[in-house]
Amino acid sequence: AQSVTQLDSQVPVFEEAPVELRCNYSSSVSVYLFWYVQYPNQGLQLLLKYLSGSTLVKGINGFEAEFNKSQTSFHLRKPSVHISDTAEYFCARGSTLGRLYFGRGTQLTVWP
Amino acid sequence: NAGVTQTPKFQVLKTGQSMTLQCAQDMNHEYMSWYRQDPGMGLRLIHYSVGAGITDQGEVPNGYNVSRSTTEDFPLRLLSAAPSQTSVYFCASSYSQGMAGEQFFGPGTRLTVL
Repeated sequence: AQSVTQLDSQVPVFEEAPVELRCNYSSSVSVYLFWYVQYPNQGLQLLLKYLSGSTLVKGINGFEAEFNKSQTSFHLRKPSVHISDTAEYFCARGSTLGRLYFGRGTQLTVWP
Repeated sequence: NAGVTQTPKFQVLKTGQSMTLQCAQDMNHEYMSWYRQDPGMGLRLIHYSVGAGITDQGEVPNGYNVSRSTTEDFPLRLLSAAPSQTSVYFCASSYSQGMAGEQFFGPGTRLTVL
């Protein structure tokens, strides 16, 4: 079965510190991976995606993620966070049939 | 473009009542879907549609009906509301099924069933 595991439900960090949000996926032949962000009381917005090609993917707002096939991971990173990055982040896996399977989410809280 | 719009934003129902959550998109997207979001559960797919006249079930379809008579609209019907359907509902769309991962989400409908 397709599955995505987000290893941390909550990640608190101080402003300007680096952050890593962890995501692991179940192994398969074709892998399409995404990170979405949800700001309070809003819908989800696509941060970045990996469909094929370069394993380092850059997204919006200074975020990047690295696809690691041997570790079956797709961790999200940012070198210096801002208070405005406080949000819930979802890792998701797409299938060739077009469906999305979401992880349970990681709440990132940035403190001043 | 308005993108994906959902109405209403908030709704309170009594157990057994029925209602329709509306979803519309103006991007001429083929693929549309409905998710529910519950605390600690992420988003779970209820139903989806790959084009007008074509719908299919997702992970949690029980208690919900959908239809897709036009490309733009994809309403979600609750036939007989239950407290277990208290949730936040999101509609999403993408250009085609093959690109379904790049989905555009609406702002959500927060539903409470008493």
